[in-house]
Amino acid sequence: EAQVTQNPRYLITVTGKKLTVTCSQNMNHEYMSWYRQDPGLGLRQIYYSMNVEVTDKGDVPEGYKVSRKEKRNFPLILESPSPNQTSLYFCASSPGLAGGVYEQYFGPGTRLTVT
Amino acid sequence: GNSVTQMEGPVTLSEEAFLTINCTYTATGYPSLFWYVQYPGEGLQLLLKATKADDKGSNKGFEATYRKETTSFHLEKGSVQVSDSAVYFCALCNNNDMRFGAGTRLTVKP
Repeated sequence: EAQVTQNPRYLITVTGKKLTVTCSQNMNHEYMSWYRQDPGLGLRQIYYSMNVEVTDKGDVPEGYKVSRKEKRNFPLILESPSPNQTSLYFCASSPGLAGGVYEQYFGPGTRLTVT
Repeated sequence: GNSVTQMEGPVTLSEEAFLTINCTYTATGYPSLFWYVQYPGEGLQLLLKATKADDKGSNKGFEATYRKETTSFHLEKGSVQVSDSAVYFCALCNNNDMRFGAGTRLTVKP
């Protein structure tokens, strides 16, 4: 089944404790992206990757890191989480953006709480 | 820059009522426009899209027409069902820049 998977689905952690949220897709997509969803703000892009070893900042990259060492995986790293990073996170992938020809496929989300 | 503005919710309707969720955008050039739907506890999934002016996207009884003159892409459905209860996001893609609106929560009551 074609899908985007994220792990963990739920995570409660404490301020400053490094964590990684994994994202994997099995559709051989070139483009991958991370978003955070907050009430009233919709989805805001954190980082995106147009292909392996190519990553770029989105609108809200502060406090996050990503890597794209292989096509299928795009982990999101929080080196020192803070309470304002409490949010619902989504990973997405698509064959490319190509001006919007392709849709994005979203993972099920990771709900992160930082205390 | 690119941006999307959609009507604030929540929206509550009775089953079989007519639905309109307004969406307007700001962009230079010719963006592609999308509606995504998020059912409870799930990720977003594409509902419909339009890639050029005057195109009409449609799916599952939902429709939206790309109106360049009014920079709008309003979502409509003639008769909503309880199963349509979800959060709806308007989005655009312009020069590889993806933007989402804030989302509109729709609740349909039997």
